[in-house]
Amino acid sequence: AQSVTQPDIHITVSEGASLELRCNYSYGATPYLFWYVQSPGQGLQLLLKYFSGDTLVQGIKGFEAEFKRSQSSFNLRKPSVHWSDAAEYFCAVVVNQAGTALIFGKGTTLSVSS
Amino acid sequence: EPEVTQTPSHQVTQMGQEVILRCVPISNHLYFYWYRQILGQKVEFLVSFYNNEISEKSEIFDDQFSVERPDGSNFTLKIRSTKLEDSAMYFCASSDPGGVGGQYFGPGTRLTVT
Repeated sequence: AQSVTQPDIHITVSEGASLELRCNYSYGATPYLFWYVQSPGQGLQLLLKYFSGDTLVQGIKGFEAEFKRSQSSFNLRKPSVHWSDAAEYFCAVVVNQAGTALIFGKGTTLSVSS
Repeated sequence: EPEVTQTPSHQVTQMGQEVILRCVPISNHLYFYWYRQILGQKVEFLVSFYNNEISEKSEIFDDQFSVERPDGSNFTLKIRSTKLEDSAMYFCASSDPGGVGGQYFGPGTRLTVT
């Protein structure tokens, strides 16, 4: 069965420092990969997605993610974190079929210290 | 920028009552979804809907649940007889005609069953 693992439940980063959130997936083929962010009391906002092609994808708010097939990973990065980035981040996968369910990881809560 | 909207933002109901959660997906999207997130847990898929029928559903989506697209804009989730364990945040999402361009989520409806 497909699964998504986000090994870090909670990460604290200093404002201005770099960030990397880890995501590993388990699936026979390469799925479509996504990162979502959820601010407190808010819905899920799509940060970026990977379908194929260039393994480094750029998203909104200065985020990027790199797909590594050999490691079944899709880690999210940001070179300089802002206090407003504090939120919960979810990695998700979907098999490459239209209308198929997203499978989410358990999420990583990011705190930003000043 | 077009967005998914959901009403109400918060619904309180008594156990055994029926509730209807409403969503207006992005206008040119053809795939629609419901997810739920129990407090402190990960986002779980309930159902996907395309071309006026359910295309996929999870084990959670039992006979107590139903979905409908009553007109050209609304997409609803009905829970016939609510249980305490139905208390959760319910998210509606929609995706583009290709179905895999990323799912865009609404802000959610917090359902509290007492």
